[in-house]
Amino acid sequence: SQQGEEDPQALSIQEGENATMNCSYKTSINNLQWYRQNSGRGLVHLILIRSNEREKHSGRLRVTLDTSKKSSSLLITASRAADTASYFCATDTGFQKLVFGTGTRLLVSP
Amino acid sequence: GAVVSQHPSWVICKSGTSVKIECRSLDFQATTMFWYRQFPKQSLMLMATSNEGSKATYEQGVEKDKFLINHASLTLSTLTVTSAHPEDSSFYICSARSRFGTDTQYFGPGTRLTVL
Repeated sequence: SQQGEEDPQALSIQEGENATMNCSYKTSINNLQWYRQNSGRGLVHLILIRSNEREKHSGRLRVTLDTSKKSSSLLITASRAADTASYFCATDTGFQKLVFGTGTRLLVSP
Repeated sequence: GAVVSQHPSWVICKSGTSVKIECRSLDFQATTMFWYRQFPKQSLMLMATSNEGSKATYEQGVEKDKFLINHASLTLSTLTVTSAHPEDSSFYICSARSRFGTDTQYFGPGTRLTVL
């Protein structure tokens, strides 16, 4: 079953703008991870945030986690055309397996 | 490091035939591998968890006799789609988790299966 709902489903922005994607989930988690998928390709791991962390940064990426609201957000700053992809959150509930959200399709126009 | 490969990258087969997809961790040992399927413009759905040397654990609704999983070594898991039908056409992705206990899963590039 799907754990996470992401919004928006699709996001279209211009290069240089920031992109924010949100993920909500249903049950307690050990950690939450964000992945990127280019069309028809495998997944690239972006960042992992543990349940006892509130915010994490990696380059142009900033992830927040609010366990009380069961939600997370991914912010991509100063977006580039190469950031065009689908972005998925995935929750690890402690049984090793990941449960993926519905995904956000991001289009960054030059 | 942490590269996972899949073979083949795409396959077209006739209805009723069986197709085997390989998932290899190239530079690390993976006690656990996972198999997902993804329909167009949809998310990944976990099919099964594959543990080296033991039987796979299937998610609810996934037919174990149809999707045979073998994890014969610490670097190889295979998924065989038996008696494939057009509705089995999908993108199949594997991932591997290092035996040395990180929480990160490393994903393969996926296999596009088309059943005619």
